[in-house]
Amino acid sequence: GAVVSQHPSWVICKSGTSVKIECRSLDFQATTMFWYRQFPKQSLMLMATSNEGSKATYEQGVEKDKFLINHASLTLSTLTVTSAHPEDSSFYICSAEGQGVGELFFGEGSRLTVL
Amino acid sequence: AQSVSQHNHHVILSEAASLELGCNYSYGGTVNLFWYVQYPGQHLQLLLKYFSGDPLVKGIKGFEAEFIKSKFSFNLRKPSVQWSDTAEYFCAVIPRSYNTDKLIFGTGTRLQVFP
Repeated sequence: GAVVSQHPSWVICKSGTSVKIECRSLDFQATTMFWYRQFPKQSLMLMATSNEGSKATYEQGVEKDKFLINHASLTLSTLTVTSAHPEDSSFYICSAEGQGVGELFFGEGSRLTVL
Repeated sequence: AQSVSQHNHHVILSEAASLELGCNYSYGGTVNLFWYVQYPGQHLQLLLKYFSGDPLVKGIKGFEAEFIKSKFSFNLRKPSVQWSDTAEYFCAVIPRSYNTDKLIFGTGTRLQVFP
């Protein structure tokens, strides 16, 4: 099946710094990618929909200036957590939409720890 | 609030036992329904999906799910589990009647199967 890869898989940073997470579709082109955040023992919460060549669509309550999303090509979307704080520590997961409606291929996730 | 509920947070079974994981949603109208699985250390991957037609859907690895519209449910079943089924299982819904194509996830159920 289709492969989506995230990098880095884990990152530790100091409070106030910015962190970039990459999401790549390795063997297919993805017009649409999604970014999720998952807290321990909770559901995956959709943060934003990333559309190639246009601005991302953010879910209610997600700060677009804090979580910058760039989808510059059909195989790469990036999530930048700007001025990270400890409360931003979480597991971030991306997915890319395949051919079938609602069929998503997920990355392995990126665990962010902000000290 | 509209939601997807998975009432079983943690299920422990012995090999060969039968499995049923509950999933209920609160969206009216047309829905697309999914079960995703995440094996330890791996990506989320699609187990099965329902869009229309036969409400009993068969997926990979012997799993099946039944859509019962009157109960707003899409429970996942397997007659005889194996140790390799140990994973986290997520139910997800696209509430088409709400003019969206976004997946809404349940909180997940952790299944542990002991030999």
